[in-house]
Amino acid sequence: NAGVTQTPKFQVLKTGQSMTLQCAQDMNHEYMSWYRQDPGMGLRLIHYSVGAGITDQGEVPNGYNVSRSTTEDFPLRLLSAAPSQTSVYFCASSSASTGGYQPQHFGDGTRLSIL
Amino acid sequence: SQQGEEDPQALSIQEGENATMNCSYKTSINNLQWYRQNSGRGLVHLILIRSNEREKHSGRLRVTLDTSKKSSSLLITASRAADTASYFCAVRNSGNTPLVFGKGTRLSVIA
Repeated sequence: NAGVTQTPKFQVLKTGQSMTLQCAQDMNHEYMSWYRQDPGMGLRLIHYSVGAGITDQGEVPNGYNVSRSTTEDFPLRLLSAAPSQTSVYFCASSSASTGGYQPQHFGDGTRLSIL
Repeated sequence: SQQGEEDPQALSIQEGENATMNCSYKTSINNLQWYRQNSGRGLVHLILIRSNEREKHSGRLRVTLDTSKKSSSLLITASRAADTASYFCAVRNSGNTPLVFGKGTRLSVIA
């Protein structure tokens, strides 16, 4: 049981380049989300999805795009990388419930450096 | 945003001692969750407490919730070196609204 798988684990980009961070889960979870983690800032929500075909913005969505064509996959696209997007990116998933009483399962992160 | 705020930011204790971390939040919540993050890894869920609960236990973990003070505490008893990690609280406002995380407490347990 792989859980939440993120690829790549490390990436270095040049300013202006674009790339896609991959996230896949094998738990049939409806709910998926992307966070970035910066020193001293905790985790900040970028985008999230409550099911295939449905996405919404989080706290820091600018510069990022997402789509959810399948239940399993939730890729995060950087349109034109900027040094301010240097961070560790985490994908998480959880099953949906009426009361939201479900824990989130996290991948091990993608460490992204923008030069 | 109703970000949970942990206190202290960092905590260093001896093995065998108890560790207490606190979390405060700003508005009403549906539930509050605690997570652990080991260095270089993703977050791992520890315990969830609902807004109508006051205390929960899981092994050496004890979580309390005081909705009147909008605060929660995580107690780790008889700490071990393996408990060294960052601990985060996260709050959910209602239903399936996104979890909002605090900045975390870095716990160091010295053998």
